[in-house]
Amino acid sequence: GAVVSQHPSRVICKSGTSVKIECRSLDFQATTMFWYRQFPKKSLMLMATSNEGSKATYEQGVEKDKFLINHASLTLSTLTVTSAHPEDSSFYICSARIGVTEAFFGQGTRLTVV
Amino acid sequence: AQSVTQLGSHVSVSEGALVLLRCNYSSSVPPYLFWYVQYPNQGLQLLLKYTSAATLVKGINGFEAEFKKSETSFHLTKPSAHMSDAAEYFCAVSDYNFGNEKLTFGTGTRLTIIP
Repeated sequence: GAVVSQHPSRVICKSGTSVKIECRSLDFQATTMFWYRQFPKKSLMLMATSNEGSKATYEQGVEKDKFLINHASLTLSTLTVTSAHPEDSSFYICSARIGVTEAFFGQGTRLTVV
Repeated sequence: AQSVTQLGSHVSVSEGALVLLRCNYSSSVPPYLFWYVQYPNQGLQLLLKYTSAATLVKGINGFEAEFKKSETSFHLTKPSAHMSDAAEYFCAVSDYNFGNEKLTFGTGTRLTIIP
């Protein structure tokens, strides 16, 4: 199957700093990528839909200025957590679609803000 | 609006026993349904999917699921559990609408295999 690579897998940052997470589709082009947040022992919450060449569409309640999404090419989307705080600590997962019925997920990024 | 309910946040079965993970959905249009597996600190891997073809869907690792429209269910089964099946399982629904291909996930079921 298709491969979605997410980097880094783990990151620890100081409160107030920004962190960038990359999501790459390695062997296919993805016009649309999705960013999820997963709280401990909870389900995945869709944060935003990232569209190549246009602004991301954010879900209700997600701060667009806090979670900056850039989809500069057909194989790369980035999520930047700006001015991170401990409550932003979470597991972030991206996914990319092939067609309408196939979604491939990255391996996730564990963000810890200290 | 679409939604997914997974009954039982934790399921424990003995090695070799039947695995049954329950999923019920709600969708205003014919749904696409998915089961994903997640191992600790990893992303999600697709087990199987229903996309309006055969109602009994076979997936990887010996799992299968049956779409039952009358019961709005898509339960996941495996005849004989293996220790390697221990993981978190998520059911998801997508009421495909062009340009709105979002997945809505259930809250997940943690499967424990008893030796």
